[in-house]
Amino acid sequence: EAQVTQNPRYLITVTGKKLTVTCSQNMNHEYMSWYRQDPGLGLRQIYYSMNVEVTDKGDVPEGYKVSRKEKRNFPLILESPSPNQTSLYFCASTGTGELFFGEGSRLTVL
Amino acid sequence: AQRVTQPEKLLSVFKGAPVELKCNYSYSGSPELFWYVQYSRQRLQLLLRHISRESIKGFTADLNKGETSFHLKKPFAQEEDSAMYYCALSLHSSASKIIFGSGTRLSIRP
Repeated sequence: EAQVTQNPRYLITVTGKKLTVTCSQNMNHEYMSWYRQDPGLGLRQIYYSMNVEVTDKGDVPEGYKVSRKEKRNFPLILESPSPNQTSLYFCASTGTGELFFGEGSRLTVL
Repeated sequence: AQRVTQPEKLLSVFKGAPVELKCNYSYSGSPELFWYVQYSRQRLQLLLRHISRESIKGFTADLNKGETSFHLKKPFAQEEDSAMYYCALSLHSSASKIIFGSGTRLSIRP
């Protein structure tokens, strides 16, 4: 089944404790992207990747890092999380323009 | 600057009534527009895209370049249409850029 898988789905952490949210897709898509969803603000792009070893900033990249060492994986790294990064995060991939989304990762930073 | 505007945060209509979710965009190039839907506890998924000109679940959307709009319509709302709806703009000049509106929550009253 074609899908985008994110882990963890839920996480509560404390300020400053590094964490990684993984994202994997099995559709051989070149393009992958991370979004955060906040009430009233919709979906905002954090980082995206056009292909392996090619990443670039989206609209709200501050406080995040990404890597794309393999085509299928695109982890989101929060080196030193802060409370303003409490949000619902979505990973997505596309090959033809239609975005396929993961189920979302709800992150709470205390 | 490119922008997608969904003026209504919440739209509440009775079952059987017509529905129109508004979407306006700002882009000087040739746009590709999408509607994505997020049902409760489910991932975001594509509802329809303007180039396919399909009707999905009774919904249609017509691109009006003169008014720069891509409103989503359904003649008779059903309770299962209750969801969060996002309008999205893909910039042909850059496959990396897919801009989302802030979303409209549609609530169908029985």
